Amino acid sequence: GAVVSQHPSWVICKSGTSVKIECRSLDFQATTMFWYRQFPKQSLMLMATSNEGSKATYEQGVEKDKFLINHASLTLSTLTVTSAHPEDSSFYICSARDRTESNEKLFFGSGTQLSVL
Amino acid sequence: KQEVTQIPAALSVPEGENLVLNCSFTDSAIYNLQWFRQDPGKGLTSLLLIQSSQREQTSGRLNASLDKSSGRSTLYIAASQPGDSATYLCAVSPSYGKLTFGQGTILTVHP
Repeated sequence: GAVVSQHPSWVICKSGTSVKIECRSLDFQATTMFWYRQFPKQSLMLMATSNEGSKATYEQGVEKDKFLINHASLTLSTLTVTSAHPEDSSFYICSARDRTESNEKLFFGSGTQLSVL
Repeated sequence: KQEVTQIPAALSVPEGENLVLNCSFTDSAIYNLQWFRQDPGKGLTSLLLIQSSQREQTSGRLNASLDKSSGRSTLYIAASQPGDSATYLCAVSPSYGKLTFGQGTILTVHP
């Protein structure tokens, strides 16, 4: 099956620093990738939809200037948490669809646990 | 706003039991419904996807049903095994890719 590689798996950073999370589709091309986050004991929530070659679409309440998304190629999307603060500590996970597949299953990365001190 | 609820929040069963996980959603205007498995450190794995026009899907020991009009779905796991222990997530989609997740059911199958 399709594989989505997400790095890093976990990161600890100081408040005020920026953190970049990468999401790669290893054996397929992904026109669209989705970024989710999950706070402790809460559901996964969609943050934004990343489209290759165009601006990301953010969900209501998600600050686009704080969560920068770049999808410059068909196999790579990045999420940068700028000037991270402790309230940004969360589990971030990406998903992607194989553009050549007729089924509509989404493939997920392994997630990134971000802890901001 | 779509809300997805999963019951029970946690379930512990002995190996070999058949079990049912429940999912309900408030807005029946869905595109599809998916069941996922979440393992610590391994992200999510899609188990079954049911299109809005379908009633059920089966894969091995797993069977998922969908009653869109009543806003319900069930995931049936037959002959449970310790390897089935994980968090099971239900998610509905009003349009492709935008999933609304439930909080999950933590399943523990003990030998």
